[in-house]
Amino acid sequence: SQKIEQNSEALNIQEGKTATLTCNYTNYSPAYLQWYRQDPGRGPVFLLLIRENEKEKRKERLKVTFDTTLKQSLFHITASQPADSATYLCALDRKAAGNKLTFGGGTRVLVKP
Amino acid sequence: NAGVMQNPRHLVRRRGQEARLRCSPMKGHSHVYWYRQLPEEGLKFMVYLQKENIIDESGMPKERFSAEFPKEGPSILRIQQVVRGDSAAYFCASSPSDRDRGYTFGSGTRLTVV
Repeated sequence: SQKIEQNSEALNIQEGKTATLTCNYTNYSPAYLQWYRQDPGRGPVFLLLIRENEKEKRKERLKVTFDTTLKQSLFHITASQPADSATYLCALDRKAAGNKLTFGGGTRVLVKP
Repeated sequence: NAGVMQNPRHLVRRRGQEARLRCSPMKGHSHVYWYRQLPEEGLKFMVYLQKENIIDESGMPKERFSAEFPKEGPSILRIQQVVRGDSAAYFCASSPSDRDRGYTFGSGTRLTVV
């Protein structure tokens, strides 16, 4: 069966350090992998998208890697700040499913000052 | 440029009543998606629509749930004869045809069935 797995345990990190989140998937052949941020009581906000033929993508303090052999994406927040505290979701499409995205369960990040 | 607008933000229904959730996509977006999120759980796909067409409804319960995206007006998610288990946050998202832009989500409708 198809699975998207993110670490369900919260990640506690000290301000200024790099937070690294993992997204593993099985039985998918995604064309795109996306990362979203969700704050309590709010809808998810799109952060980054990486294509299957891309290894790495950066946006300001965010970096995403995508290894289709390992079926894994890593999401890094460098120089983390308390305002980065949120739940981060990865999402995959499937080449045969058009624009539909399937989301992982998310990882909560808490950045302590 | 307004984002995805969902209303109402909060909806309370008694068991057996109907719930109607509305979603207006971003201007220029032709794809609409509905997701359900239970407390402390992830987003579960329900349905994917384009104007006047249901593209994928594989996540919709077979009974009591329906969705539409008419030629004019917002997308509607309709839940008939609500039960307590329907209590959840329902999020709508929209995207353009271009697949590499990501989704824009609304703020959600929190349905409480009492």
